Amino acid sequence: ETGVTQTPRHLVMGMTNKKSLKCEQHLGHNAMYWYKQSAKKPLELMFVYSLEERVENNSVPSRFSPECPNSSHLFLHLHTLQPEDSALYLCASSQDPASGRGDTQYFGPGTRLTVL
Amino acid sequence: AQSVTQLDSQVPVFEEAPVELRCNYSSSVSVYLFWYVQYPNQGLQLLLKYLSGSTLVESINGFEAEFNKSQTSFHLRKPSVHISDTAEYFCAVSPIQGAQKLVFGQGTRLTINP
Repeated sequence: ETGVTQTPRHLVMGMTNKKSLKCEQHLGHNAMYWYKQSAKKPLELMFVYSLEERVENNSVPSRFSPECPNSSHLFLHLHTLQPEDSALYLCASSQDPASGRGDTQYFGPGTRLTVL
Repeated sequence: AQSVTQLDSQVPVFEEAPVELRCNYSSSVSVYLFWYVQYPNQGLQLLLKYLSGSTLVESINGFEAEFNKSQTSFHLRKPSVHISDTAEYFCAVSPIQGAQKLVFGQGTRLTINP
């Protein structure tokens, strides 16, 4: 596979469930990102990882827990979510987030999450 | 901090007509500017970006955008649209210095009618 892949593509969960979203990039990039895309709201940056270290956490509630075991994989662990957390969760990667070169971010297709 | 405003949430146009999608931004620091496109059921793809140099940038599929520093704008244009251009278009900025953090506008849904 090429580019950025995300699994699952769709997920329905109850408020007491625990689930994980997975992202994998095949581009040899050093940085990975999680974004939240809600209806009628701009995309919101949630987390940034550079060389497997978290460099940005945009005031995201603790019920979202990211994990970056290596530069190719990124997870988002979910627990005790609320219905308002229903959204499209997008993963992206780029070469180097601190290069100052305006590197392009490459996005996966997203996971459509519904919290009941 | 940065903010991006896309002035139109929806733009309907007829096929082969010209289109302009408007984008204004606010920032206390210098920024790079981007346009991303999202086709149905897909992730975002870079359409074009302005980093430096000529203020007019072009994409491979006929779109262009012009950076206007005095008006803090980065409007996207195409002289003749096709049905395949139907998508949602997002304007975004990122500070030149420090970690790359894209700040997006609300998006503009472009609908092409035959």
